[in-house]
Amino acid sequence: EADIYQTPRYLVIGTGKKITLECSQTMGHDKMYWYQQDPGMELHLIHYSYGVNSTEKGDLSSESTVSRIRTEHFPLTLESARPSHTSQYLCASSESIGGVEKLFFGSGTQLSVL
Amino acid sequence: AQKITQTQPGMFVQEKEAVTLDCTYDTSDPSYGLFWYKQPSSGEMIFLIYQGSYDQQNATEGRYSLNFQKARKSANLVISASQLGDSAMYFCAMREGSGGGADGLTFGKGTHLIIQP
Repeated sequence: EADIYQTPRYLVIGTGKKITLECSQTMGHDKMYWYQQDPGMELHLIHYSYGVNSTEKGDLSSESTVSRIRTEHFPLTLESARPSHTSQYLCASSESIGGVEKLFFGSGTQLSVL
Repeated sequence: AQKITQTQPGMFVQEKEAVTLDCTYDTSDPSYGLFWYKQPSSGEMIFLIYQGSYDQQNATEGRYSLNFQKARKSANLVISASQLGDSAMYFCAMREGSGGGADGLTFGKGTHLIIQP
Protein backbone atom coordinates (compact mmCIF):
# COMPACT_ATOMS: atom_id res chain seq x y z
CA GLU A 1 0.00 0.00 0.00
CA ALA A 2 1.37 3.37 -1.04
CA ASP A 3 2.10 6.00 1.60
CA ILE A 4 1.62 9.20 -0.33
CA TYR A 5 -0.68 11.89 0.94
CA GLN A 6 -2.24 14.94 -0.62
CA THR A 7 -4.01 17.79 1.11
CA PRO A 8 -6.49 19.27 0.79
CA ARG A 9 -8.73 16.70 -0.85
CA TYR A 10 -11.05 19.42 -2.15
CA LEU A 11 -10.41 23.16 -2.49
CA VAL A 12 -12.77 25.89 -3.68
CA ILE A 13 -11.25 29.35 -3.88
CA GLY A 14 -11.75 32.70 -5.57
CA THR A 15 -9.81 34.08 -8.51
CA GLY A 16 -6.49 35.70 -7.68
CA LYS A 17 -5.76 33.73 -4.53
CA LYS A 18 -2.42 32.10 -3.92
CA ILE A 19 -2.69 28.40 -3.13
CA THR A 20 -0.35 25.56 -2.28
CA LEU A 21 -1.26 21.93 -2.80
CA GLU A 22 0.60 19.65 -0.42
CA CYS A 23 2.08 16.27 -1.27
CA SER A 24 4.10 14.08 1.07
CA GLN A 25 5.40 10.53 0.84
CA THR A 26 6.96 8.38 3.52
CA MET A 27 8.55 5.82 1.23
CA GLY A 28 11.84 7.65 0.73
CA HIS A 29 11.34 7.87 -3.02
CA ASP A 30 13.62 10.25 -4.90
CA LYS A 31 11.32 10.65 -7.89
CA MET A 32 8.08 12.60 -7.54
CA TYR A 33 5.55 13.95 -10.02
CA TRP A 34 2.55 16.20 -10.41
CA TYR A 35 -0.15 15.33 -12.93
CA GLN A 36 -3.17 17.37 -13.96
CA GLN A 37 -6.39 15.61 -14.91
CA ASP A 38 -9.53 17.25 -16.29
CA PRO A 39 -12.84 15.33 -15.86
CA GLY A 40 -13.06 12.32 -18.14
CA MET A 41 -9.65 13.02 -19.57
CA GLU A 42 -6.16 11.57 -19.41
CA LEU A 43 -3.47 12.61 -16.97
CA HIS A 44 -0.89 15.13 -18.11
CA LEU A 45 2.51 15.53 -16.44
CA ILE A 46 3.11 19.13 -15.35
CA HIS A 47 6.13 18.80 -13.03
CA TYR A 48 8.59 16.21 -11.84
CA SER A 49 11.57 15.93 -9.55
CA TYR A 50 14.39 13.43 -9.34
CA GLY A 51 15.50 14.48 -5.89
CA VAL A 52 16.10 17.35 -3.50
CA ASN A 53 16.62 20.68 -5.29
CA SER A 54 15.73 19.08 -8.63
CA THR A 55 12.56 20.17 -10.46
CA GLU A 56 11.60 19.99 -14.13
CA LYS A 57 8.58 20.98 -16.18
CA GLY A 58 6.48 18.23 -17.70
CA ASP A 59 4.77 17.79 -21.03
CA LEU A 60 1.86 20.11 -20.28
CA SER A 61 2.63 23.76 -19.74
CA SER A 62 1.45 24.95 -16.37
CA GLU A 63 1.53 28.28 -14.54
CA SER A 64 2.14 26.43 -11.30
CA THR A 65 5.53 26.06 -9.64
CA VAL A 66 6.98 23.35 -7.44
CA SER A 67 9.77 22.99 -4.92
CA ARG A 68 11.69 20.04 -3.49
CA ILE A 69 13.49 21.07 -0.36
CA ARG A 70 12.99 17.75 1.39
CA THR A 71 12.80 14.28 -0.12
CA GLU A 72 9.38 13.56 1.32
CA HIS A 73 7.71 16.84 0.38
CA PHE A 74 6.78 18.15 -3.11
CA PRO A 75 4.33 21.05 -2.87
CA LEU A 76 2.72 22.74 -5.87
CA THR A 77 1.94 26.47 -5.80
CA LEU A 78 -0.30 28.70 -7.88
CA GLU A 79 0.56 32.37 -7.26
CA SER A 80 -2.73 33.67 -8.65
CA ALA A 81 -5.45 31.10 -9.25
CA ARG A 82 -7.79 31.45 -12.23
CA PRO A 83 -10.89 29.49 -13.32
CA SER A 84 -8.78 27.82 -16.03
CA HIS A 85 -6.81 26.15 -13.22
CA THR A 86 -9.90 24.20 -12.15
CA SER A 87 -8.89 20.55 -12.38
CA GLN A 88 -7.79 17.53 -10.38
CA TYR A 89 -4.12 17.49 -9.39
CA LEU A 90 -2.52 14.13 -8.68
CA CYS A 91 0.83 13.71 -6.97
CA ALA A 92 2.90 10.57 -7.40
CA SER A 93 6.23 9.10 -6.45
CA SER A 94 8.03 6.17 -8.03
CA GLU A 95 10.64 3.54 -7.44
CA SER A 96 12.13 0.78 -9.51
CA ILE A 97 10.73 -2.60 -8.51
CA GLY A 98 12.03 -5.61 -10.37
CA GLY A 99 13.41 -3.33 -13.09
CA VAL A 100 10.06 -1.58 -13.56
CA GLU A 101 9.58 2.04 -12.54
CA LYS A 102 6.24 1.96 -10.73
CA LEU A 103 4.27 5.08 -9.86
CA PHE A 104 2.35 5.37 -6.60
CA PHE A 105 -0.34 8.02 -6.57
CA GLY A 106 -1.99 10.09 -3.88
CA SER A 107 -5.76 10.55 -3.74
CA GLY A 108 -5.59 13.86 -5.57
CA THR A 109 -6.73 17.41 -4.90
CA GLN A 110 -9.86 18.58 -6.69
CA LEU A 111 -9.38 22.32 -7.24
CA SER A 112 -12.23 24.63 -8.20
CA VAL A 113 -11.47 28.29 -8.87
CA LEU A 114 -14.51 30.56 -8.99
CA ALA B 1 -1.15 11.78 -33.07
CA GLN B 2 -2.43 9.98 -29.99
CA LYS B 3 0.23 7.82 -28.40
CA ILE B 4 -2.28 5.85 -26.35
CA THR B 5 -5.78 5.17 -27.65
CA GLN B 6 -8.56 3.71 -25.54
CA THR B 7 -11.60 3.39 -27.79
CA GLN B 8 -14.16 2.48 -25.12
CA PRO B 9 -15.23 5.56 -23.13
CA GLY B 10 -17.58 3.40 -21.06
CA MET B 11 -18.54 -0.24 -20.55
CA PHE B 12 -21.29 -2.03 -18.67
CA VAL B 13 -20.52 -5.64 -17.73
CA GLN B 14 -22.41 -8.21 -15.73
CA GLU B 15 -20.79 -9.35 -12.51
CA LYS B 16 -18.63 -12.49 -12.83
CA GLU B 17 -18.15 -12.02 -16.57
CA ALA B 18 -14.70 -11.48 -18.05
CA VAL B 19 -13.90 -7.98 -19.31
CA THR B 20 -11.49 -6.82 -21.99
CA LEU B 21 -10.46 -3.18 -22.02
CA ASP B 22 -8.83 -2.09 -25.26
CA CYS B 23 -5.61 -0.14 -25.58
CA THR B 24 -3.52 0.57 -28.67
CA TYR B 25 -0.30 2.52 -28.65
CA ASP B 26 1.97 4.29 -31.08
CA THR B 27 5.73 4.45 -30.74
CA SER B 28 8.81 4.05 -32.90
CA ASP B 29 11.00 3.31 -29.90
CA PRO B 30 11.84 -0.43 -29.71
CA SER B 31 12.07 -0.20 -25.93
CA TYR B 32 8.94 0.75 -24.05
CA GLY B 33 6.73 -0.28 -21.16
CA LEU B 34 2.97 -0.48 -20.93
CA PHE B 35 1.01 0.07 -17.73
CA TRP B 36 -2.58 -0.22 -16.61
CA TYR B 37 -3.94 1.83 -13.71
CA LYS B 38 -7.32 1.73 -11.97
CA GLN B 39 -8.89 4.94 -10.67
CA PRO B 40 -11.89 4.38 -8.38
CA SER B 41 -14.27 7.19 -7.51
CA SER B 42 -12.04 8.09 -4.56
CA GLY B 43 -9.53 9.47 -7.04
CA GLU B 44 -6.29 7.65 -6.39
CA MET B 45 -4.53 5.79 -9.18
CA ILE B 46 -3.79 2.15 -8.45
CA PHE B 47 -1.13 0.28 -10.40
CA LEU B 48 -2.48 -2.97 -11.85
CA ILE B 49 -0.06 -4.53 -14.31
CA TYR B 50 3.03 -3.87 -16.42
CA GLN B 51 4.28 -5.27 -19.75
CA GLY B 52 7.73 -4.58 -21.15
CA SER B 53 8.24 -4.47 -24.90
CA TYR B 54 10.84 -7.25 -24.72
CA ASP B 55 8.82 -9.50 -22.43
CA GLN B 56 8.13 -12.79 -24.18
CA GLN B 57 5.07 -13.70 -22.16
CA ASN B 58 1.89 -11.80 -21.40
CA ALA B 59 1.91 -10.27 -17.93
CA THR B 60 -0.49 -11.58 -15.31
CA GLU B 61 -1.35 -10.30 -11.82
CA GLY B 62 -4.10 -12.24 -10.10
CA ARG B 63 -7.36 -11.62 -11.99
CA TYR B 64 -5.62 -9.19 -14.34
CA SER B 65 -3.80 -10.20 -17.48
CA LEU B 66 -2.44 -8.18 -20.35
CA ASN B 67 -3.06 -9.40 -23.89
CA PHE B 68 0.07 -8.04 -25.55
CA GLN B 69 0.06 -8.15 -29.35
CA LYS B 70 3.24 -6.36 -30.34
CA ALA B 71 2.72 -6.41 -34.11
CA ARG B 72 -0.70 -4.82 -33.67
CA LYS B 73 0.62 -2.43 -31.01
CA SER B 74 -2.15 -3.58 -28.75
CA ALA B 75 -2.09 -4.06 -24.95
CA ASN B 76 -5.58 -4.98 -23.84
CA LEU B 77 -6.35 -5.52 -20.16
CA VAL B 78 -8.37 -8.61 -19.33
CA ILE B 79 -10.17 -8.88 -16.00
CA SER B 80 -11.43 -12.36 -15.25
CA ALA B 81 -14.53 -12.99 -13.11
CA SER B 82 -15.41 -9.32 -12.66
CA GLN B 83 -16.54 -8.05 -9.26
CA LEU B 84 -18.60 -5.05 -8.21
CA GLY B 85 -15.45 -3.50 -6.78
CA ASP B 86 -13.91 -3.45 -10.25
CA SER B 87 -16.16 -0.53 -11.18
CA ALA B 88 -13.75 2.35 -11.85
CA MET B 89 -11.89 4.27 -14.53
CA TYR B 90 -9.08 2.30 -16.16
CA PHE B 91 -6.11 4.00 -17.78
CA CYS B 92 -3.57 2.55 -20.15
CA ALA B 93 -0.17 4.25 -20.11
CA MET B 94 3.17 3.94 -21.88
CA ARG B 95 6.74 4.84 -21.04
CA GLU B 96 9.10 5.07 -24.00
CA GLY B 97 12.81 4.37 -23.88
CA SER B 98 14.89 2.25 -21.60
CA GLY B 99 15.55 4.96 -19.04
CA GLY B 100 14.58 4.28 -15.48
CA GLY B 101 12.55 7.43 -14.98
CA ALA B 102 8.79 7.56 -15.32
CA ASP B 103 8.70 11.14 -16.59
CA GLY B 104 7.79 9.93 -20.09
CA LEU B 105 4.60 8.20 -18.94
CA THR B 106 1.79 8.97 -21.41
CA PHE B 107 -1.79 8.14 -20.45
CA GLY B 108 -4.83 7.29 -22.53
CA LYS B 109 -8.21 8.96 -21.96
CA GLY B 110 -9.47 6.03 -19.94
CA THR B 111 -12.39 3.61 -19.94
CA HIS B 112 -15.15 3.91 -17.36
CA LEU B 113 -16.07 0.35 -16.36
CA ILE B 114 -19.30 -0.32 -14.51
CA ILE B 115 -19.97 -3.79 -13.16
CA GLN B 116 -23.66 -4.59 -12.76
CA PRO B 117 -24.99 -7.13 -10.23
